[in-house]
Amino acid sequence: GNSVTQMEGPVTLSEEAFLTINCTYTATGYPSLFWYVQYPGEGLQLLLKATKADDKGSNKGFEATYRKETTSFHLEKGSVQVSDSAVYFCALRINDYKLSFGAGTTVTVRA
Amino acid sequence: GAVVSQHPSRVICKSGTSVKIECRSLDFQATTMFWYRQFPKQSLMLMATSNEGSKATYEQGVEKDKFLINHASLTLSTLTVTSAHPEDSSFYICSARSGKGNEQFFGPGTRLTVL
Repeated sequence: GNSVTQMEGPVTLSEEAFLTINCTYTATGYPSLFWYVQYPGEGLQLLLKATKADDKGSNKGFEATYRKETTSFHLEKGSVQVSDSAVYFCALRINDYKLSFGAGTTVTVRA
Repeated sequence: GAVVSQHPSRVICKSGTSVKIECRSLDFQATTMFWYRQFPKQSLMLMATSNEGSKATYEQGVEKDKFLINHASLTLSTLTVTSAHPEDSSFYICSARSGKGNEQFFGPGTRLTVL
């Protein structure tokens, strides 16, 4: 079946630190990959996505590259801010099927 | 992006009562809506998928008689938790999309507490 494994949190960082959240997947077929972010008290928002191997998704300083050879889609940001404190979810979708989410990683950035 | 609202944002009810949660797409027509349940510090678990005008498709292990889903229009879906019990306490999130392959937009969620 399809599944997503995410790095466990919580992750606590200082402002301007480098952030990496690991995500690996198992899928039958060729999935599209997503990162969603959930700010406190809000719903999930799409942060970035990649639909085929070697694609790089980017948004708000975050990047993730679709690595088929390692079945990974790690999220990175070079210099985090306090406003990046949130829960981050990695997800995959095969064709038009449902989204499968990872467990989520809570990130806290301290000033 | 498109906006999806949920009402209420929080609800507290007594055990045995029924609770209805509304999900609305505010600026687009949602041909498909999804209902998720999120436990504390855990991921979203898809409960059911509903297409406008047809019966919802429930995921394995989700009781369709307990979690009634109605998608009567292109902008509104409702989830009714019938005869709620404390174990139904959770964060319920809906999402909506305007067509196959299109992005899902998520609502802010509804916190249900059953006493």
